[in-house]
Amino acid sequence: DTEVTQTPKHLVMGMTNKKSLKCEQHMGHRAMYWYKQKAKKPPELMFVYSYEKLSINESVPSRFSPECPNSSLLNLHLHALQPEDSALYLCASSQDQGAAGAFFGQGTRLTVV
Amino acid sequence: DAKTTQPNSMESNEEEPVHLPCNHSTISGTDYIHWYRQLPSQGPEYVIHGLTSNVNNRMASLAIAEDRKSSTLILHRATLRDAAVYYCILRGSGAGSYQLTFGKGTKLSVIP
Repeated sequence: DTEVTQTPKHLVMGMTNKKSLKCEQHMGHRAMYWYKQKAKKPPELMFVYSYEKLSINESVPSRFSPECPNSSLLNLHLHALQPEDSALYLCASSQDQGAAGAFFGQGTRLTVV
Repeated sequence: DAKTTQPNSMESNEEEPVHLPCNHSTISGTDYIHWYRQLPSQGPEYVIHGLTSNVNNRMASLAIAEDRKSSTLILHRATLRDAAVYYCILRGSGAGSYQLTFGKGTKLSVIP
């Protein structure tokens, strides 16, 4: 199984809503990542978890709150988002070393209205 | 982070080889060279990676310059399915330095 599964595939939320994005992998990877991608731009790194601990936060606003409840799951909790937060949110996982390829999910297409 | 430089776009005819260049003149001795591609409306896909020696897999070949300041991704026979944005990324090998930071990439168009 070399899949990273993200749910939901599409999400529309209001600016006062609270929602969560979910990501799951069963490859035994101990590094997991959240990226944000705007149209026609490269993915931008948001967070990195290593062994279920947050190791990198790329100065992401606090309205995005990551959580890694176990080694297979990664969540991104969303609250009070702005329309400019509308984007494709990608999850990835890899072994915790530079000599390892990363596997990406297909993303959640988020629209904030 | 060490940076990479790639052409914004390239074109290839179907069934011909494609050589996608990447410059990384500030690469450190422990950085791995990774290549990913992103097809339209999909998440990025791992293609290949290497450290010093040339590498081959079922998808592509990676040729690394002797001084490691540049590399080339080689698609041996382009198909329409290879039309994508190709990203060359340096990935550190130390603890906590293995995040993938994407540059602008090269948009490859394949002409039937």
